[in-house]
Amino acid sequence: AQSVTQLGSHVSVSEGALVLLRCNYSSSVPPYLFWYVQYPNQGLQLLLKYTSAATLVKGINGFEAEFKKSETSFHLTKPSAHMSDAAEYFCAVSFMDSNYQLIWGAGTKLIIKP
Amino acid sequence: ETGVTQTPRHLVMGMTNKKSLKCEQHLGHNAMYWYKQSAKKPLELMFVYSLEERVENNSVPSRFSPECPNSSHLFLHLHTLQPEDSALYLCASSHPERAGGELFFGEGSRLTVL
Repeated sequence: AQSVTQLGSHVSVSEGALVLLRCNYSSSVPPYLFWYVQYPNQGLQLLLKYTSAATLVKGINGFEAEFKKSETSFHLTKPSAHMSDAAEYFCAVSFMDSNYQLIWGAGTKLIIKP
Repeated sequence: ETGVTQTPRHLVMGMTNKKSLKCEQHLGHNAMYWYKQSAKKPLELMFVYSLEERVENNSVPSRFSPECPNSSHLFLHLHTLQPEDSALYLCASSHPERAGGELFFGEGSRLTVL
């Protein structure tokens, strides 16, 4: 079955440190991959997406993610964390053979320490 | 106008009340979705409408009744809810064949059932 796993329900980093949020998917067919961010009491906002073009994808707010087919991963990174990055981050995947229905990870709450 | 608009943003209701949540999208999409987001739980897909026809209903209790009168509007009618129905209800829209099914979300309606 197709699924998405986000490692770590909470990730804590110091301000200025590297942010790494992990996302792995399971599927034998090519995926479309997404990262969304949710600030408190708001909806989800698209950070970036992979749709079979370049494997290194740059998004908003200095985030980027790399699609690694061999590892079935799409980890989200940012070189230097800012206090405003504190939010919940969701990884999602879709497939053409599933009518592009998004399958969601459980989310990772990013905590920034001053 | 913003892409996806949800009203009201906050709603408090008793268990015997009847209320409705409204969603409107101005993106020309042909699919609309209702999600439920509860604390400490993954995103739950409730309903999907494609071309104004319901294509998915994930075992949602009948006290939640969706309505999609046209491709731009989606309602969630609520009646005789339970306290455990308190959650953030998110509306989203998409054009599934474009960009791998990327979803565009509203800000959400925070529902509290007393």
